[in-house]
Amino acid sequence: QLQLQESGPGLVKPSETLSLTCTVSGGSISSSSYYWGWIRQPPGKGLEWIGSIYYSGSTYYNPSLKSRVTISVDTSKNQFSLKLSSVTAADTAVYYCASMLRDYYYDSSGYPLHSHYFDYWGQGTLVTVSS
Amino acid sequence: QSVLTQPPSVSAAPGQKVTISCSGSSSNIGNNYVSWYQQLPGTAPKLLIYDNNKRPSGIPDRFSGSKSGTSATLGITGLQTGDEADYYCGTWDSSLSAMVFGGGTKLTVL
Repeated sequence: QLQLQESGPGLVKPSETLSLTCTVSGGSISSSSYYWGWIRQPPGKGLEWIGSIYYSGSTYYNPSLKSRVTISVDTSKNQFSLKLSSVTAADTAVYYCASMLRDYYYDSSGYPLHSHYFDYWGQGTLVTVSS
Repeated sequence: QSVLTQPPSVSAAPGQKVTISCSGSSSNIGNNYVSWYQQLPGTAPKLLIYDNNKRPSGIPDRFSGSKSGTSATLGITGLQTGDEADYYCGTWDSSLSAMVFGGGTKLTVL
């Protein structure tokens, strides 16, 4: 069973870059079955997907955050990382890393139907943006 | 405001059944698969349902999922006090090219 653990500073100053790392255990980050994702949750609010990465380095990001987000992977350390630049108080949230399963199926018309879901989650880490 | 719409709260008595709805559009629920997550107080979300109606290993059959058109529903039978949590639906949005979630529904077991 996969286990994921987030790590990084709990306090970041406005306009600076938030950096977090997720360490994966119980399996290889180079597994062809998985993508790896970041999700955040502002205090008292809902979930927001930030972006995901494959072990090859292929990434896709939430368009609303894309200009500020970089996700990278280090297969030698079984880790993947998040960088969010130019942070403001609105970026204060619990940040989760998670394993993501992603597949496509085709309906009778040949239209692709997407299956994306997160099956294992880290415990989350609170990042506060404040001076 | 979330792309997917859920009721803010639902409640029911122990032992009863409850349903939680998740409404979207043709660009998300209508043409993609839905997942559901349970978030107990102070903990990380946990996968309950994937691909509209499949349960991961270890999830009891008291939890079920269904989809019709642009809406999905999570059903919970035999409610227990331990089911009190926030529940979120999620899916891919083909127009936004993004994974999207509902705003969450707080379940109270009276």
